[in-house]
Amino acid sequence: KQEVTQIPAALSVPEGENLVLNCSFTDSAIYNLQWFRQDPGKGLTSLLLIQSSQREQTSGRLNASLDKSSGRSTLYIAASQPGDSATYLCAVRSGGGADGLTFGKGTHLIIQP
Amino acid sequence: DTEVTQTPKHLVMGMTNKKSLKCEQHMGHRAMYWYKQKAKKPPELMFVYSYEKLSINESVPSRFSPECPNSSLLNLHLHALQPEDSALYLCASSRSRENTGELFFGEGSRLTVL
Repeated sequence: KQEVTQIPAALSVPEGENLVLNCSFTDSAIYNLQWFRQDPGKGLTSLLLIQSSQREQTSGRLNASLDKSSGRSTLYIAASQPGDSATYLCAVRSGGGADGLTFGKGTHLIIQP
Repeated sequence: DTEVTQTPKHLVMGMTNKKSLKCEQHMGHRAMYWYKQKAKKPPELMFVYSYEKLSINESVPSRFSPECPNSSLLNLHLHALQPEDSALYLCASSRSRENTGELFFGEGSRLTVL
């Protein structure tokens, strides 16, 4: 059974810093990996999708990498801003294009002004 | 348009009530999902519909009854719920169940069972 772990569980940094969120998964037979952002009491906003054949994806100040063989992904946020404060969730779609996503527990990020 | 719309945003119901949650997307997606999220926990998959047919039921109690009337709509009918069913219910869609595409989520329906 696929398990997804995110480290750290919580992170608080001053505005302007670059930071890295980590995600690991136990079964490397994934179809893709998706990073989401969730604001308190809200739904999930898709940030980046990386297919299993890709190594990284970029969107603005965000860069996500994928090392499928080692079961790891990182989300890099450059020049952090207070508006980046949210919970960041990593989710994998297991091999065969199966059924929904398996989520990590998330990293709760606070950017201090 | 990458929007998944869920109604109502908030719902309070008693244990004997019958209510429904609704989800709509107009992206032409053929896979739709219901997830349940408890406070400070990740979302958990409940149901998957593919081409309007139920393809996955993650051992969800029968007091939750999904329905997919057409390719754009997904309902979750609620009956005789328990207080522990209080949670954020999230709907999502993707191009198809087999596709490598993204999942797009709605804002969720916050359910409180008294």
